[in-house]
Amino acid sequence: GAVVSQHPSRVICKSGTSVKIECRSLDFQATTMFWYRQFPKQSLMLMATSNEGSKATYEQGVEKDKFLINHASLTLSTLTVTSAHPEDSSFYICSAIVPYNEQFFGPGTRLTVL
Amino acid sequence: QKEVEQDPGPLSVPEGAIVSLNCTYSNSAFQYFMWYRQYSRKGPELLMYTYSSGNKEDGRFTAQVDKSSKYISLFIRDSQPSDSATYLCAMSVSRAAGNKLTFGGGTRVLVKP
Repeated sequence: GAVVSQHPSRVICKSGTSVKIECRSLDFQATTMFWYRQFPKQSLMLMATSNEGSKATYEQGVEKDKFLINHASLTLSTLTVTSAHPEDSSFYICSAIVPYNEQFFGPGTRLTVL
Repeated sequence: QKEVEQDPGPLSVPEGAIVSLNCTYSNSAFQYFMWYRQYSRKGPELLMYTYSSGNKEDGRFTAQVDKSSKYISLFIRDSQPSDSATYLCAMSVSRAAGNKLTFGGGTRVLVKP
């Protein structure tokens, strides 16, 4: 299967700072990437759909000014959590999809906001 | 009511037993059905991908889809301790780019040696 990487795998930051998470498709070009959030012992919650060269589409209830998404190339999407607070602590997972194919997930990034 | 229902478990079985997992759904538009395995603190890994109704087998894994009952299943034969993980079902309406997956809540499986 296709390989999706995320960086960093784990980040700890102080409240009020911004954190950037990268999602890369390593061996294929992904026109669409998704960002999910997962709380302990819960399923994945879709946050936004990221399309290369266009603005992200956010799910209802997700603050677009809080979670900035940029999909500058066919292999890279970034999620920036701005002015992070402890309630933003979570496991963030990205996935990438090639048109008419399966969705492949990254290994996830664990964010802890102190 | 959630669109996709999945028993959270935990489901504990002895090594070598058959693990039986299932999901029910309410949206009859779903056509593509997936099973993912997720180890603790890792991203989901695609196990099985099926379209419409029927069975699909891959090694120790068998996926079944019954669209008339809105019910999907995953069977793991000869279970191993390394199969201990959370299993997520997911489904989608179409396979086109930009398509979204709807996930079940996941079932935690523990295979005891």
